[in-house]
Amino acid sequence: DTAVSQTPKYLVTQMGNDKSIKCEQNLGHDTMYWYKQDSKKFLKIMFSYNNKELIINETVPNRFSPKSPDKAHLNLHINSLELGDSAVYFCASSRLPTPWAGRGANVLTFGAGSRLTVL
Amino acid sequence: TQLLEQSPQFLSIQEGENLTVYCNSSSVFSSLQWYRQEPGEGPVLLVTVVTGGEVKKLKRLTFQFGDARKDSSLHITAAQPGDTGLYLCAGERYDMRFGAGTRLTVKP
Repeated sequence: DTAVSQTPKYLVTQMGNDKSIKCEQNLGHDTMYWYKQDSKKFLKIMFSYNNKELIINETVPNRFSPKSPDKAHLNLHINSLELGDSAVYFCASSRLPTPWAGRGANVLTFGAGSRLTVL
Repeated sequence: TQLLEQSPQFLSIQEGENLTVYCNSSSVFSSLQWYRQEPGEGPVLLVTVVTGGEVKKLKRLTFQFGDARKDSSLHITAAQPGDTGLYLCAGERYDMRFGAGTRLTVKP
C-alpha cells in the first residue's frame, strides 16, 4: 500500500481550464501539505492543513484552492490554468505540524508527484 | 531569494570519488533535514540533524550541522552509481523550507 498517493500522475491541459489533483495518505497523520516543484527543482510550500484546518497559506494565487474533506485527504483545485502553473505538485504528510512536533521530530512523507503541463 | 542555498547545483563524478555538497543560510534553524529525490518520485528523508556541530553517518554518507545551526554539509565517500539523484536540504522553522537541491550523477 502506498503511504501517500496522488492522482493523476500526469495531467496535460489547455490554458484557462480548471483541474484538480487528489491526495490521500494512509499513515494516520494529522498534517498534510502541498508543495510545488518548478523546472529548477525548487520545492516550495503552498499550503498546509492540520486535521482539516488550514494552517499555512503561502502567497499563492486565489486560483489555487485546497480542500480537506477529512484528515486523510487533501485535494488541490486550480482554476483558470496559466502557463506558469506547469510544474510537479507534491502532496506530503506528517504526524504533526512542524512547530508542534518537537525540534527535529517532524518527518515529511511525500507522494510521487503530479506533473501538470499547461499548453 | 531562497532561504537555503545549495551548492553545487550540479555535480558529475566517477564511481569511487568522494564529494561534498553544501546547504547554507543566513537564518538559524531548529533542525535540518536531508532528502534524496529520484526521477518521478517524491523526496525521501535521509537524516535529521538537530544540535549545532552534530555529525551523523549513514553508511558512506556523513552529514554535519554547522555550529550556529545555519548550514549543513553532506559528504559521500566512494560514490556509487546508486547514489545518483537530487539531494535536497530542508530547514525547520515554522515549517520545512527546502533548498533547490544538488543534482548528483555518479558515472560507472
